[in-house]
Amino acid sequence: KNEVEQSPQNLTAQEGEFITINCSYSVGISALHWLQQHPGGGIVSLFMLSSGKKKHGRLIATINIQEKHSSLHITASHPRDSAVYICAVSYMEYGNKLVFGAGTILRVKS
Amino acid sequence: DAGITQSPRHKVTETGTPVTLRCHQTENHRYMYWYRQDPGHGLRLIHYSYGVKDTDKGEVSDGYSVSRSKTEDFLLTLESATSSQTSVYFCAISDSVVYGYTFGSGTRLTVV
Repeated sequence: KNEVEQSPQNLTAQEGEFITINCSYSVGISALHWLQQHPGGGIVSLFMLSSGKKKHGRLIATINIQEKHSSLHITASHPRDSAVYICAVSYMEYGNKLVFGAGTILRVKS
Repeated sequence: DAGITQSPRHKVTETGTPVTLRCHQTENHRYMYWYRQDPGHGLRLIHYSYGVKDTDKGEVSDGYSVSRSKTEDFLLTLESATSSQTSVYFCAISDSVVYGYTFGSGTRLTVV
């Protein structure tokens, strides 16, 4: 079974700061996913990565397959970025099920 | 997301009653999943489907059953609801590594 570890568990930042959330996993995967959930809200898929780097607006996600590590970066953070960010991995050979990390609670103060 | 809808959004039910939650997709994705989310436990897989009439158990399947008679619909049934099944339930769909995952808006179920 794959273990997915996220760090930090909690993160408080000032508006405008550069934020990094890390994720590591123990077994080879088909893809790694970054998800966002606002308090009381639904779950939004931000990125799906199998290699390299992806960028969407102020969000950047990278993955190092050899190191089994991924990072989610938020540039110029804003209070609306306050949410729980969840890393998850999936395997096509096992029904593409997700194995989740515990999540990182991000609070961005203005 | 418009491609996946869950119903109902909220439900309060009594212990011992049967409950069915519905997930409907318009994306024609092969895989459908039911997850529950609880404080301190995060998201956990209940059941999933890899095609019409093809389903399998997840890590917390006890007390739940599912059915998928059409590609677009995946039903989750609590045969006899218990207070431990009070939770937020999320349906999700995926097709392949290319298309990733889409989650429904969630169903908040309270068993009293």
